[in-house]
Amino acid sequence: DQQVKQNSPSLSVQEGRISILNCDYTNSMFDYFLWYKKYPAEGPTFLISISSIKDKNEDGRFTVFLNKSAKHLSLHIVPSQPGDSAVYFCAGKAAGNKLTFGGGTRVLVKP
Amino acid sequence: GAGVSQSPSNKVTEKGKDVELRCDPISGHTALYWYRQSLGQGLEFLIYFQGNSAPDKSGLPSDRFSAERTGGSVSTLTIQRTQQEDSAVYLCASRIPGLNTGELFFGEGSRLTVL
Repeated sequence: DQQVKQNSPSLSVQEGRISILNCDYTNSMFDYFLWYKKYPAEGPTFLISISSIKDKNEDGRFTVFLNKSAKHLSLHIVPSQPGDSAVYFCAGKAAGNKLTFGGGTRVLVKP
Repeated sequence: GAGVSQSPSNKVTEKGKDVELRCDPISGHTALYWYRQSLGQGLEFLIYFQGNSAPDKSGLPSDRFSAERTGGSVSTLTIQRTQQEDSAVYLCASRIPGLNTGELFFGEGSRLTVL
């Protein structure tokens, strides 16, 4: 039962352009959604979150959009930079701060 | 310490042996989580501690897996009679008390390889 799905395993984008990462979920009980970024041989690091009562949250180059009716969220990175090359995981938060993660999307930003 | 510390960073073991993985959370973080990431997969929840008790251990895959936490700090994840499918990166995370937005601080993980 995959409660959180990232259907694109990889994404390649030119430096300076927009990266759009997508995530779908099935659990209506999630009250927060989060994006984490992971470099090889490192632990995931928190990037940005959004409450289930909001539809947009922006932090610098990163914006997360939530469409509750479609049970879909997306992460926009503008402009993309080579240092953004990493694996991105979306996650839904339920009770106890337990996170359910998607399978990840590997982003490659080409100079 | 400054961040979540995990040891060992790498462990290679033979099938059937027991292994212990250690997590030292950020000082003052009362909540501690164990996840694992198998090759090419997302992060899979294993167990969650609040203080020394584990309100949610629903993600432990079998009774070969156990975890404990003592003194509200260090946690140990034990895998008995390891199998090849246990090979994964085991990640520990902790959380700022009272912060309920899901933001977790992860360690670098312990990579377990079972031959």
